[in-house]
Amino acid sequence: QQQVKQSPQSLIVQKGGISIINCAYENTAFDYFPWYQQFPGKGPALLIAIRPDVSEKKEGRFTISFNKSAKQFSLHIMDSQPGDSATYFCAASEGGGSRLTFGEGTQLTVNP
Amino acid sequence: GAVVSQHPSWVICKSGTSVKIECRSLDFQATTMFWYRQFPKQSLMLMATSNEGSKATYEQGVEKDKFLINHASLTLSTLTVTSAHPEDSSFYICSARPPAGGAGDIQYFGAGTRLSVL
Repeated sequence: QQQVKQSPQSLIVQKGGISIINCAYENTAFDYFPWYQQFPGKGPALLIAIRPDVSEKKEGRFTISFNKSAKQFSLHIMDSQPGDSATYFCAASEGGGSRLTFGEGTQLTVNP
Repeated sequence: GAVVSQHPSWVICKSGTSVKIECRSLDFQATTMFWYRQFPKQSLMLMATSNEGSKATYEQGVEKDKFLINHASLTLSTLTVTSAHPEDSSFYICSARPPAGGAGDIQYFGAGTRLSVL
């Protein structure tokens, strides 16, 4: 019940295209859903996060869509750029500063 | 955003020696820090949760006598890998959480430490 399932495992997108990564969870107590970006040999960096009281949050080219009834959330990267090539992790926590549960990760490659 | 500094970024040691990794929150006080381990092309695996001034809480399967965690101040936590062996070679990452409140759920990550045990 603590798992967060992420797909796809890898994704190849052309420059300017839209990258979409999906995550699903089971634990209905989760109330904080961040996305992290990780480059090789570096620690994860927080990209964007959402709470269940909204269905969508947009920051620049990055948008989180959240479907509470389906227990799913997704990351959309608009106008994808080669510099976006990295591994993306979704995560979830029960809030109040509790531990994060991470998805398996998606390796995104944006071709020039 | 908040900065978490992790040192060293890369360490090579001989089998049987101990290695200490430091994690510092530079511009905020971190009541809670987390230590993760990451194998190549895999997700982050939580090893332990460290609260300032108290004993760390280890995840199931993590040997607390092998991975010693100390959180002596609100800005510093250390992970010591004792009697390291080649199977301990991995990427270790810390994260720090600001005090409870509006940003209390956010975890800021260090850049990671690559440990290679010969």
